[in-house]
Amino acid sequence: DTEVTQTPKHLVMGMTNKKSLKCEQHMGHRAMYWYKQKAKKPPELMFVYSYEKLSINESVPSRFSPECPNSSLLNLHLHALQPEDSALYLCASSDRQGAGYGYTFGSGTRLTVV
Amino acid sequence: GESVGLHLPTLSVQEGDNSIINCAYSNSASDYFIWYKQESGKGPQFIIDIRSNMDKRQGQRVTVLLNKTVKHLSLQIAATQPGDSAVYFCAEEVTGGGNKLTFGTGTQLKVEL
Repeated sequence: DTEVTQTPKHLVMGMTNKKSLKCEQHMGHRAMYWYKQKAKKPPELMFVYSYEKLSINESVPSRFSPECPNSSLLNLHLHALQPEDSALYLCASSDRQGAGYGYTFGSGTRLTVV
Repeated sequence: GESVGLHLPTLSVQEGDNSIINCAYSNSASDYFIWYKQESGKGPQFIIDIRSNMDKRQGQRVTVLLNKTVKHLSLQIAATQPGDSAVYFCAEEVTGGGNKLTFGTGTQLKVEL
């Protein structure tokens, strides 16, 4: 299996809802990432997990809460989001020891906040 | 601050021609530079990378050139095909202590028949 699987593919949520995005990989990668991508813009890094520990938080608002239950799973818990948080949320994993080819991206979750 | 950017937002080429997509970067501490292709509705797909101590690297139909003197990165696609139509992002990676991959602004490549 050489894929990163993200669910759901599409999500519409209200500003008072709580939802979670899920990401799964079975490539044995020990680093996992969340990116946010707005239309016609590059992906922006949100969080990095390395060996199941949060190693980078790019000053993301607390309404986004990441979780890495094990080496294959990465979640992003959402609460009290704003309409401007609507975007494509991408998950990636890497086998990182210094080679860019190690990054594999999922197809993303298209999130709409209403 | 440090940034990675592209000169041309849209590039149109004829099928069969060679394409050149350019990128300027400013973070001299980056260890790797990578090109990604993103098609509509999909995540970025790795194309080719180059380590910071190299000048050129070739893949299948693609070549990446790195000019550290002027902090410039380019992607050359030979014999461009309709399937090459996509948005191309350059990205730079700083490794160690939590690897960080930062994307540039992107170029839309349109291949005309």
